[in-house]
Amino acid sequence: SQQGEEDPQALSIQEGENATMNCSYKTSINNLQWYRQNSGRGLVHLILIRSNEREKHSGRLRVTLDTSKKSSSLLITASRAADTASYFCATAAGDYKLSFGAGTTVTVRA
Amino acid sequence: NAGVTQTPKFRVLKTGQSMTLLCAQDMNHEYMYWYRQDPGMGLRLIHYSVGEGTTAKGEVPDGYNVSRLKKQNFLLGLESAAPSQTSVYFCASSPAGTIHGYTFGSGTRLTVV
Repeated sequence: SQQGEEDPQALSIQEGENATMNCSYKTSINNLQWYRQNSGRGLVHLILIRSNEREKHSGRLRVTLDTSKKSSSLLITASRAADTASYFCATAAGDYKLSFGAGTTVTVRA
Repeated sequence: NAGVTQTPKFRVLKTGQSMTLLCAQDMNHEYMYWYRQDPGMGLRLIHYSVGEGTTAKGEVPDGYNVSRLKKQNFLLGLESAAPSQTSVYFCASSPAGTIHGYTFGSGTRLTVV
């Protein structure tokens, strides 16, 4: 089944720096979503970008989508300790179900 | 609102035992999903439901059964637990499939010994 692949697998940054992670996928999609998972918790939906959109913002989050390259990026600006989490991209090829990647683990150092 | 509630939060089973995981949502969502999360493999879809009384297979349905007798509840059953089913199980719901973000429960950590 289709699945996004995040890159890098792990990322360590200093508080205040920006964090960028990428997601690549294999076939055409209706939308792409990003989720955050804090240690030992469930996933939390961050942002959804449709296939006809190129960029979307939500607070300190910026998501881009390049359907020609089948890739997306998530930028977290001015990172905080509370941003320490795993981030997952999920692709929607149809109406019913999402396919998730393996995630990027982000550690924000104080 | 509680959102999506999963019970139990932790469970240890012996090989061959059966159990049922319960997922309850209070948001009147039509779609519900069961995923399992294993290290380095992301989330894999086990079964899903597009409405009360419906169920469908996901990527890894073998060894699991589901039921959606009431709109707010989605049950995941393990008929005869195996060590390979040791995982963290997440339930999620959505108002209308993938056009919305999913709301996830906090997970059930299952160990089969």
